[in-house]
Amino acid sequence: QQQVKQSPQSLIVQKGGISIINCAYENTAFDYFPWYQQFPGKGPALLIAIRPDVSEKKEGRFTISFNKSAKQFSLHIMDSQPGDSATYFCAASKNNAGNMLTFGGGTRLMVKP
Amino acid sequence: EPEVTQTPSHQVTQMGQEVILRCVPISNHLYFYWYRQILGQKVEFLVSFYNNEISEKSEIFDDQFSVERPDGSNFTLKIRSTKLEDSAMYFCASRQEIWDTQYFGPGTRLTVL
Repeated sequence: QQQVKQSPQSLIVQKGGISIINCAYENTAFDYFPWYQQFPGKGPALLIAIRPDVSEKKEGRFTISFNKSAKQFSLHIMDSQPGDSATYFCAASKNNAGNMLTFGGGTRLMVKP
Repeated sequence: EPEVTQTPSHQVTQMGQEVILRCVPISNHLYFYWYRQILGQKVEFLVSFYNNEISEKSEIFDDQFSVERPDGSNFTLKIRSTKLEDSAMYFCASRQEIWDTQYFGPGTRLTVL
C-alpha cells in the first residue's frame, strides 16, 4: 500500500514536444505529491509539487495533473528541451512527523534536438 | 540559496568496516532524512529525524545503521559493519516545516569492496 508506480520507465521526445509521465498510488493517506528531477551524479531536485485539494498546478513549462478519485497524477513538460533530459521521479508523502517520501521507480527522459 | 551539503562525495571501504556519512542540513531546518539509491534504481527512504529522535525508519534501517545530530549543524549516518549490498548513493535531505519540501543534498557514493 506504500507503493507509488511510475510509467513509462523511459521516454524519448523530440525537442518542442510534450513529455508526459504518469504515477499511481494506493495509500489514500498520501497528501503531498512532488516531482523531482535528477541529473546523473546529482541529488534529486524538487521540480513541482501538488496537494490533493487542487486538480492541476502549473509552473512555467511544467504542469501536474491530479486525479484524486483515480489516485493518479501526472507530469506534463511542454515544449520539451534537450536540457530537460534527466530522470524524473514522482513521490508521495503523508503529513506527519516522519513525512517520508515514497518514490516512484523513475522515468529516464531523453529530449532529442 | 541555502543548500544541503554532504561529505565525502565518494567513500570506498572494505566489507565489515564502519563508515560515517556526514550531512550539513539547511540551517533553519528542523526535519532531517537519509535516503539511499542503488545504482539505476529508485530512491528509498531510510530514516527521518526530528527533535533529536528518530521519527520513522524503514526496514532497510536495521541495527547496523544509526543516525546522530552531534551538534547544531551536522547530521550523520553510521553504518557499523558494511556489507557489499550497502553500496549505493546516500542522500541527506532536510525541511523546515512539516508542510515544506524536502531538499536533497548531492549525495555520497558509498562503495563497499
